[in-house]
Formats: sequence, C-alpha cells, structure tokens
Amino acid sequence: DTAVSQTPKYLVTQMGNDKSIKCEQNLGHDTMYWYKQDSKKFLKIMFSYNNKELIINETVPNRFSPKSPDKAHLNLHINSLELGDSAVYFCASSPQGKNTEAFFGQGTRLTVV
Amino acid sequence: KNEVEQSPQNLTAQEGEFITINCSYSVGISALHWLQQHPGGGIVSLFMLSSGKKKHGRLIATINIQEKHSSLHITASHPRDSAVYICAVRSSNYQLIWGAGTKLIIKP
Repeated sequence: DTAVSQTPKYLVTQMGNDKSIKCEQNLGHDTMYWYKQDSKKFLKIMFSYNNKELIINETVPNRFSPKSPDKAHLNLHINSLELGDSAVYFCASSPQGKNTEAFFGQGTRLTVV
Repeated sequence: KNEVEQSPQNLTAQEGEFITINCSYSVGISALHWLQQHPGGGIVSLFMLSSGKKKHGRLIATINIQEKHSSLHITASHPRDSAVYICAVRSSNYQLIWGAGTKLIIKP
C-alpha cells in the first residue's frame, strides 16, 4: 500500500493554464507538506498544514494555493502557469510532534511549455 | 551561509569502499533526517535521529547535538547505493530545512 501518493506523476501543460496536483496519505499523519525541487536538486518548502490548518507558507507566488479538504489530503493548485514553475514537486507527511519521521511521495514532474 | 551544510557535494568511490557523508547545521533542531533520492526522483526516508546512533543494514547514522553535526556511513558500498543523500533538520515549527544533498556514485 502506498503511504503517500501523488498524482499525476508527470504533468506537461502550456503556459497560462491552471492545474492541480493531488496528494493523499493513508498513514493517519497530522502534518502534510509541499516541497519544490529546483534545478539544483535543492528542496524548498512551500506549504505545511497541520490538521487542515496552514502553519507554514513560504514566499511563493499567490498563483500557488494549497487546499486541504481533510487531514489525509493536501492538494496544490497552480493558476496561470509560467515557464519557471517547471520543477519536481514533492508532497510529504509526518505525525504531529517534534521527533517524527517524514514520508515522501514519489514526486510530480511539472513541465510548462 | 546555508543553515544546513553537507559535504562532500559529490562523491565517487569504488564498490566495497566505506562511505561517509557529513552534515553540519547552525540552528536549533528537534530532529535530523537522512533521506535518499534515487535517480528516478523518488525520496526515501533512511533515518530520523535526535541523539546517538542508528543502524539499518549497511547504513549507520550518528548525530552529535553539542557539535551540531551528523554523519551518514555506508559500509561495503554497492553500485545500487548510488543516489543523492540529503540531510534535513526539523525545527520546532515543523519546518524541514534541507541540505543541498550529496551525489554519490559507486563504481563496480
């Protein structure tokens, strides 16, 4: 059983489109994250939700909006896609608490053309 | 200066060699993670440490809280160990601060 699953795995779309990436975890975790991996393979946190509440919102364009319908889901919506949005996006989850391990999805490779 | 520094950035070794990857951090943490990213892009959590040492198979991770330093060791390295190894520290507000990663290549 997949613990943290992201869909789609690959997404190719044109500039200006609106797209969503879905993330679901079946681990019963309280905290979920979205990370963006840049061209240098460095992972940067974008958002973090704890029990459906936004707790971290790093400086990302307003075109990016997370949606957490319930504790097991954290979806990423991106409006008016730009070429620079092309990257691999990772979803992760962890139990609440300081000393907890994070589990990652397989990543979504977004290519904007 | 990044809050989490890894060294080396790139490491190429022969099969069977003992591998050490280092991680130093400059912030207060509640835990430190070692992760592995395969060439295909997926990320796997290897260890989560808050003190001492952990071992899993050929992998050993240690952390020294006073010195703010952690090491990941691989014994009897194998080509399938080739991947990017990432150190990440967890701050008190749930944020994970990442190192830039160490790209490891093990040659047969």
